[in-house]
Amino acid sequence: DQQVKQNSPSLSVQEGRISILNCDYTNSMFDYFLWYKKYPAEGPTFLISISSIKDKNEDGRFTVFLNKSAKHLSLHIVPSQPGDSAVYFCAASAENQGGKLIFGQGTELSVKP
Amino acid sequence: DSGVTQTPKHLITATGQRVTLRCSPRSGDLSVYWYQQSLDQGLQFLIQYYNGEERAKGNILERFSAQQFPDLHSELNLSSLELGDSALYFCASSVSPAGGANTGELFFGEGSRLTVL
Repeated sequence: DQQVKQNSPSLSVQEGRISILNCDYTNSMFDYFLWYKKYPAEGPTFLISISSIKDKNEDGRFTVFLNKSAKHLSLHIVPSQPGDSAVYFCAASAENQGGKLIFGQGTELSVKP
Repeated sequence: DSGVTQTPKHLITATGQRVTLRCSPRSGDLSVYWYQQSLDQGLQFLIQYYNGEERAKGNILERFSAQQFPDLHSELNLSSLELGDSALYFCASSVSPAGGANTGELFFGEGSRLTVL
């Protein structure tokens, strides 16, 4: 049972344009959502998070939007840079399920110069 | 550098064998998590320990076991290895064992790549 889904395995964007990565979840108990970025041969690194009491959180070029009714979140990167090319994982957590994060399958973003 | 150290970085072994993966969490972090990433798969949660006690369990096979020691380092033991166990195994740590908004971020190590031939 895939509780967190990223349906796009890959995304290609031109430098300077907006990158939009999407994530859907099924468990209504999730109350905290995170995005992680992963370069090859490295572990995932935290990028940005959002609590379920909010619908938007912004950090520089990165903005995460949460639509609880649709059980959908998205990560916007504006403007996209070649250094943003990486695999992006969406993750979710629930207060009653310990500290574990449930991850999606990842979306590989390629930003072309 | 996340501060989480995993050894070995690479390991090649044969089917039926047993291996141990080691993880040292960030200084001050009491909670350790193990994840498995197989080819083209997301990170699958295996198990979580907090201050030496098992806290949460995911889809961890019975052939796999883990523990967290008094010095807070953790080991993941994989036995009777099969070809399908070939994967990247990540360890992560955090300060808090709690879920939801109290989770904060997990800090990941670089992973141990296991190849079973």
